[in-house]
Amino acid sequence: DAKTTQPTSMDCAEGRAANLPCNHSTISGNEYVYWYRQIHSQGPQYIIHGLKNNETNEMASLIITEDRKSSTLILPHATLRDTAVYYCIVRRQLTFGSGTQLTVLP
Amino acid sequence: SQTIHQWPATLVQPVGSPLSLECTVEGTSNPNLYWYRQAAGRGLQLLFYSVGIGQISSEVPQNLSASRPQDRQFILSSKKLLLSDSGFYLCAWSVPGGTDTQYFGPGTRLTVL
Repeated sequence: DAKTTQPTSMDCAEGRAANLPCNHSTISGNEYVYWYRQIHSQGPQYIIHGLKNNETNEMASLIITEDRKSSTLILPHATLRDTAVYYCIVRRQLTFGSGTQLTVLP
Repeated sequence: SQTIHQWPATLVQPVGSPLSLECTVEGTSNPNLYWYRQAAGRGLQLLFYSVGIGQISSEVPQNLSASRPQDRQFILSSKKLLLSDSGFYLCAWSVPGGTDTQYFGPGTRLTVL
């Protein structure tokens, strides 16, 4: 059961890019990396996932290192509504860790 | 489109009372279903998951149980609540055989007094 580690908190200025790192050094070759976010008192929301290649969708971009031991979620133009806890998990991980509390500052 | 419902949204129960939380999914068939618990200020802990009717896997020993009486219905129960059962309970679903992307419901906030 691969584990992930993330910084506890980060701040970002509104309109700037938010780069959230995640380490998953014990990830297996066939395990996807997933990112979710949870706004206070709501259920988590799926953001993006990837296996080896970098991915982009309407919400964010995911950059995975070549050795797959770490990844970075990028919110290109953070808004106040992006303030949330961001979770990085790998497939079959049974527990979401504490994630990163991202605070977007005006 | 698929939607997931949970109820009630909030619940206050005395210690020792029973519990029944319900989760239903619409717009998909034979989903994988999950129950998570989130203690205050903590991450999500997987409690149960199900790949089909009557098929329940428990991940954490506790005084809770889960049942799946219908394809798109998942129920979390307890015969006697403990103070430590307080938390935010989340149901989620995923497409079987897919990439395991999970879609979460709005959650039930349970306070045991």
